[in-house]
Amino acid sequence: QKEVEQNSGPLSVPEGAIASLNCTYSDRVSQSFFWYRQYSGKSPELIMSIYSNGDKEDGRFTAQLNKASQYVSLLIRDSQPSDSATYLCAVWSSARQLTFGSGTQLTVLP
Amino acid sequence: DVKVTQSSRYLVKRTGEKVFLECVQDMDHENMFWYRQDPGLGLRLIYFSYDVKMKEKGDIPEGYSVSREKKERFSLILESASTNQTSMYLCASSTRDRGNTGELFFGEGSRLTVL
Repeated sequence: QKEVEQNSGPLSVPEGAIASLNCTYSDRVSQSFFWYRQYSGKSPELIMSIYSNGDKEDGRFTAQLNKASQYVSLLIRDSQPSDSATYLCAVWSSARQLTFGSGTQLTVLP
Repeated sequence: DVKVTQSSRYLVKRTGEKVFLECVQDMDHENMFWYRQDPGLGLRLIYFSYDVKMKEKGDIPEGYSVSREKKERFSLILESASTNQTSMYLCASSTRDRGNTGELFFGEGSRLTVL
């Protein structure tokens, strides 16, 4: 079983819609969770971090964490074509490593 | 702004050659990492370092070694390159000041092709 799993997609949404990206993880003692965005041909960049159960909002982005279900999600409201990228879920594990999922490719259609 | 600089964006090497990938960060970060990224496999951790002269194996260290002689520099070495090491290599750094150091800053990547 992979430590961090994401729906590989691709996921397509129309401009203005809500994009929902999901991630599950296997290490129950993980405490820190991150979403990175990676544009084609570029390096990943951190867009959200979440450490506590519940929701964390930053502009059009909302991260949601449910430790009991070992589930993390990222919602992008009012999706824009510029949001088209691969989104990587990452979990800081008990092994003191940041483990990444394989990413979900999102396309926002104009 | 944090800057993580990787010495080479593109390299082409032959099987059996020794390859050095250099990474330098300018933010006095304690932690440095080397990942490789392959289609469908995502980012996989090769080695990481939490301090000068320290190194720890990640998930896929076989065929690689690292060196951290100075805080700002973390080098990845392929002693004898093989075709299955053709990949995008990403260096990253983070500060120990943040609670769990999962907030990584990445370099632009080094695309290595081994023929």
